[in-house]
Amino acid sequence: AQSVTQPDIHITVSEGASLELRCNYSYGATPYLFWYVQSPGQGLQLLLKYFSGDTLVQGIKGFEAEFKRSQSSFNLRKPSVHWSDAAEYFCAVLNNAGNMLTFGGGTRLMVKP
Amino acid sequence: DAGITQSPRHKVTETGTPVTLRCHQTENHRYMYWYRQDPGHGLRLIHYSYGVKDTDKGEVSDGYSVSRSKTEDFLLTLESATSSQTSVYFCAISDGAGGNIQYFGAGTRLSVL
Repeated sequence: AQSVTQPDIHITVSEGASLELRCNYSYGATPYLFWYVQSPGQGLQLLLKYFSGDTLVQGIKGFEAEFKRSQSSFNLRKPSVHWSDAAEYFCAVLNNAGNMLTFGGGTRLMVKP
Repeated sequence: DAGITQSPRHKVTETGTPVTLRCHQTENHRYMYWYRQDPGHGLRLIHYSYGVKDTDKGEVSDGYSVSRSKTEDFLLTLESATSSQTSVYFCAISDGAGGNIQYFGAGTRLSVL
């Protein structure tokens, strides 16, 4: 069965600094990978996805992620963080049958002024 | 929230009582999902539906049942609520195309006392 690990439970960065959130997955085939963001009291919003092709994918709000098969990773990055990026971020992988997402435990991002 | 309405948004109930949560969509999507969100666990799939009257179990289905009598409505029932079912519950929908991207509702916060 597939699994997703987000090693960092909490991360604090200063506004304007760069950001990288880690995601490692376990999956037998070529994975379909997603990053979602959840603002306090809200549902999850899709930031970006990787299905195939270019391993660097661009998403909304200035985020990007890079798929590295050799490292089983799909890390999320942003060059300059804004205070509004404070939220919880979830990495997820789709199963073989295409009907079930498995989520990581999430990383809570705090942004210092 | 992509035409998804969850009701109620908040509920407090007592152990042993039945509880039904409703998810309503206006997108006419085929797939609907119920997840629960608990700290450190991300989101875990409870049940999902791939059509009217077609449902299947997810990772944490014990103690839960679902029904889908119309395309637009997916009900989650806790037959006899327990304190371990205190959680935030999210509904998601998908049209099943292009990697089965799921869109999430705003969530229902359930407290079982």
